[in-house]
Amino acid sequence: ETGVTQSPTHLIKTRGQQVTLRCSSQSGHNTVSWYQQALGQGPQFIFQYYREEENGRGNFPPRFSGLQFPNYSSELNVNALELDDSALYLCASSQGAGSSEAFFGQGTRLTVV
Amino acid sequence: QKEVEQNSGPLSVPEGAIASLNCTYSDRGSQSFFWYRQYSGKSPELIMSIYSNGDKEDGRFTAQLNKASQYVSLLIRDSQPSDSATYLCAVRPGGGNKLTFGTGTQLKVEL
Repeated sequence: ETGVTQSPTHLIKTRGQQVTLRCSSQSGHNTVSWYQQALGQGPQFIFQYYREEENGRGNFPPRFSGLQFPNYSSELNVNALELDDSALYLCASSQGAGSSEAFFGQGTRLTVV
Repeated sequence: QKEVEQNSGPLSVPEGAIASLNCTYSDRGSQSFFWYRQYSGKSPELIMSIYSNGDKEDGRFTAQLNKASQYVSLLIRDSQPSDSATYLCAVRPGGGNKLTFGTGTQLKVEL
């Protein structure tokens, strides 16, 4: 149990719709990173939020956006959903943006039909 | 060349044996290295972190790092059926903020 919680755990959306995924970071952690994991692949970095500011972004289009709130919880928003967006979305919590260990929540399984 | 490479497996070992999982990385500036265990349908769980050359032991797990060879490995002693999972190697570059993962090695511990 990492203390990182994500909601919802499963979600089915239709192509073209928008989705919001949520993450509560572990107590004492001020950094949240989001990853996308397709079946059979390793997680791919989407972006990181540190003290409410975006602090690095992976190779994902602008329709992937996020927020971090003063309590360090975070949201991932995906607009204009595509079939290829179907994946496990993972939130990782850490203390500081640099070399510290990152702990994952249980993930949100998104299916786009 | 992939940034982080792992043999996808499956790697099969008998119960009680030593499982050896390997990972190579391309960025010489990488400073932090992690091993995660992921059971099917679950999220990755951090099992080891290593930051300097040499060995780091934690219970049945030993992580080994060789920055000159750009190589990190994980040894699991006295393997148990409950160790059967996919093991993900993750690397963070110096001063960077993202983790770059390999595709994972599937380990099967057989009775």
